[in-house]
Amino acid sequence: ETGVTQSPTHLIKTRGQQVTLRCSSQSGHNTVSWYQQALGQGPQFIFQYYREEENGRGNFPPRFSGLQFPNYSSELNVNALELDDSALYLCASSQGQASTDTQYFGPGTRLTVL
Amino acid sequence: AQSVTQLGSHVSVSEGALVLLRCNYSSSVPPYLFWYVQYPNQGLQLLLKYTSAATLVKGINGFEAEFKKSETSFHLTKPSAHMSDAAEYFCAVSEAGNQGGKLIFGQGTELSVKP
Repeated sequence: ETGVTQSPTHLIKTRGQQVTLRCSSQSGHNTVSWYQQALGQGPQFIFQYYREEENGRGNFPPRFSGLQFPNYSSELNVNALELDDSALYLCASSQGQASTDTQYFGPGTRLTVL
Repeated sequence: AQSVTQLGSHVSVSEGALVLLRCNYSSSVPPYLFWYVQYPNQGLQLLLKYTSAATLVKGINGFEAEFKKSETSFHLTKPSAHMSDAAEYFCAVSEAGNQGGKLIFGQGTELSVKP
């Protein structure tokens, strides 16, 4: 186990709704990254937060937003859900923002949009 | 743009046989490379990483990978497969100096191990 936890484990929403996913980082880590993994695909980078500020963003629309809190836990918010948002959402924490810093992944939140 | 290609979406080996999972990357600057494993209904676990030190990298569970710049490859190997190695394997790349620590993943290779 990595010490990274995510909640909830599973979630079912309908198109147009909004969702919030949560992540607690490993002790001592100040950086959190979020990834979307569609079925049968590799994870796709959504964004990263370093010390409460967004520090890099992938090719995702603005309806994907996030927050990082002073204790370095994080939230991913998705507005106006679409069917294609159905995926496993992975959170990863690391000691820093460097390219060499290992990212430790949580078990993920499985989101289903109907 | 950076990309990672994993040749073979499914690889099947017999228990005790050599495991070889292929990964090629495209990057205009020296990359850092990672292999992760994902068991069903779980997150990703780091097997090993290359960060410009030794080109032959040893990881957990008997896996190793060799960085070959001339071939832009970072193939994962294990001399003898165990049943417990059955999982999905992902190769990922991060560019040196990349702010934001973005990992770019390949499509994954599902490894099956036959008794």
